[in-house]
Amino acid sequence: DAKTTQPTSMDCAEGRAANLPCNHSTISGNEYVYWYRQIHSQGPQYIIHGLKNNETNEMASLIITEDRKSSTLILPHATLRDTAVYYCIVSPMEYGNKLVFGAGTILRVKS
Amino acid sequence: GAVVSQHPSRVICKSGTSVKIECRSLDFQATTMFWYRQFPKQSLMLMATSNEGSKATYEQGVEKDKFLINHASLTLSTLTVTSAHPEDSSFYICSARAGINEKLFFGSGTQLSVL
Repeated sequence: DAKTTQPTSMDCAEGRAANLPCNHSTISGNEYVYWYRQIHSQGPQYIIHGLKNNETNEMASLIITEDRKSSTLILPHATLRDTAVYYCIVSPMEYGNKLVFGAGTILRVKS
Repeated sequence: GAVVSQHPSRVICKSGTSVKIECRSLDFQATTMFWYRQFPKQSLMLMATSNEGSKATYEQGVEKDKFLINHASLTLSTLTVTSAHPEDSSFYICSARAGINEKLFFGSGTQLSVL
């Protein structure tokens, strides 16, 4: 699996957009970018994933650069409940493939 | 979304005893499930891939005789920590995929404390 690089931590004001970057310069053509988050003492929660096009769902938007070497997860209006560790993972989306977690980014949303 | 149920959520046991953790996919069939372990303030570490009807595939450094995995049906995988010791105390998390090209869903985790 391709490695990812994320900032260790970030702060965001409540109500503002949270932009979480991820570098994945060695990503392969068949690898997707996944984002999960983990709130303290819980299992990870799926947020969004994409291959090369930008994606948006009810939780977030995912912006992938044209060369696919980096991406940004955007939480449009961060709330205190969005405080969590956010993991960016790249992996081929095929049946049975595993997800290998890196260190992630600790996002602190502050009032 | 799909639901993965993990039980128990917390267990305390004496050193030398064995502990079984169950992972169930409640509304879908999962041919493959994954088991992770997480120590405090660390990321999730993949332990093994559990395949229904066959032997689990363990990651490098994970003792297969220590962490027994059984995937007897398409909705249930179990992880048994045998002869548990204090260093096995950790947060264990399972995950499952609803099908081909489906995202991975995670259980709520089991906090194991070995005294």
